[in-house]
Amino acid sequence: KNQVEQSPQSLIILEGKNCTLQCNYTVSPFSNLRWYKQDTGRGPVSLTIMTFSENTKSNRRYTATLDADTKQSSLHITASQLSDSASYICVVSARGSQGNLIFGKGTKLSVKP
Amino acid sequence: SQTIHQWPATLVQPVGSPLSLECTVEGTSNPNLYWYRQAAGRGLQLLFYSVGIGQISSEVPQNLSASRPQDRQFILSSKKLLLSDSGFYLCAYSRAPREGTGELFFGEGSRLTVL
Repeated sequence: KNQVEQSPQSLIILEGKNCTLQCNYTVSPFSNLRWYKQDTGRGPVSLTIMTFSENTKSNRRYTATLDADTKQSSLHITASQLSDSASYICVVSARGSQGNLIFGKGTKLSVKP
Repeated sequence: SQTIHQWPATLVQPVGSPLSLECTVEGTSNPNLYWYRQAAGRGLQLLFYSVGIGQISSEVPQNLSASRPQDRQFILSSKKLLLSDSGFYLCAYSRAPREGTGELFFGEGSRLTVL
């Protein structure tokens, strides 16, 4: 069964600190993996996409990694800001599945001053 | 530029009343359109998707229906709401063919509370 598991479920950090969010998946055949940021009460916004051949990709203070062998991805946030407080959702796409996207439940990050 | 509009933003409805949520996309033609529901503590659940006018696929049997009367308009409806229909509804579109490689662009969401 195709599944996406994220950890931790929630996380509280102090402003300026770094953190890493995890995503494990059992989706096959794998097409790509996206990280979305969802502010409270808003729609999710894509941060980055990882394809099978990519190991690391950065977008400003966000760095995503992908290990296709172990089927794990991480999202590292550097020098966190209050505006980073949000839910981060990992979404995996299965190839040839007519667009089936498997969503994780998200990690709720709270950045405190 | 492409944009997606979704309304109303919040809605409080009594059990048994009808529902209509609307979504429109600007700046792109023939988008793939989606309705998702997000319950507290759970991931996004795909309700309906559409690859063209009048073409609707339902992912989960339920009390809701969807329609696509125009290329860039997607409507989520119910004839009689249930308490379990409460949730956060998100409309989304993608530009890529429906092989799941395209980025999803989400609307701002509609918070529905059924009392």
